[in-house]
Amino acid sequence: RKEVEQDPGPFNVPEGATVAFNCTYSNSASQSFFWYRQDCRKEPKLLMSVYSSGNEDGRFTAQLNRASQYISLLIRDSKLSDSATYLCVVNTGKLIFGQGTTLQVKP
Amino acid sequence: NAGVTQTPKFQVLKTGQSMTLQCAQDMNHNSMYWYRQDPGMGLRLIYYSASEGTTDKGEVPNGYNVSRLNKREFSLRLESAAPSQTSVYFCASSENQRMNTGELFFGEGSRLTVL
Repeated sequence: RKEVEQDPGPFNVPEGATVAFNCTYSNSASQSFFWYRQDCRKEPKLLMSVYSSGNEDGRFTAQLNRASQYISLLIRDSKLSDSATYLCVVNTGKLIFGQGTTLQVKP
Repeated sequence: NAGVTQTPKFQVLKTGQSMTLQCAQDMNHNSMYWYRQDPGMGLRLIYYSASEGTTDKGEVPNGYNVSRLNKREFSLRLESAAPSQTSVYFCASSENQRMNTGELFFGEGSRLTVL
């Protein structure tokens, strides 16, 4: 079983839609959690951290459920520019990357 | 602001050839990493250097060697390239290994094809 699992998608949504991605992790001792964004043929970049209480950054909301060992990313009012691959990252002492979920926002 | 610079961006090798990927960061970071990214596999850690003078194996170190030349530079060497090493390689750096902020700064990637 992979340490960090994501649905690879692609998720195809119209502009303005709300879309949510989930990610599950296997190591219950994981310390911290993050979402990265990777544009096509580019390097990954940190999108946001995920806090136990949940956190929001504009149209993006990240949540953590330690009991069920998953994290989520919600994107509201999707824009064309949100099209990218979203990587779930878990800190177990080292950063473990999920394979990513691809989002395509259509006009 | 250069950030993390890696070279070359593209390389084609024949099986058995050797090559070195170079990486340099100008952010005065202590820790540096080499990852490979393959379709359906996500980013996998090859080697890392927690601080100048130290290197450690990651998840997939076989077939690779690294050198932390100084605080700025961390190179990855393929001694005898194999087709299974066809991948996109990313160098990254972070302030320290504790990853409190989870922020890795990546280079633009090096696309390697081994024929």
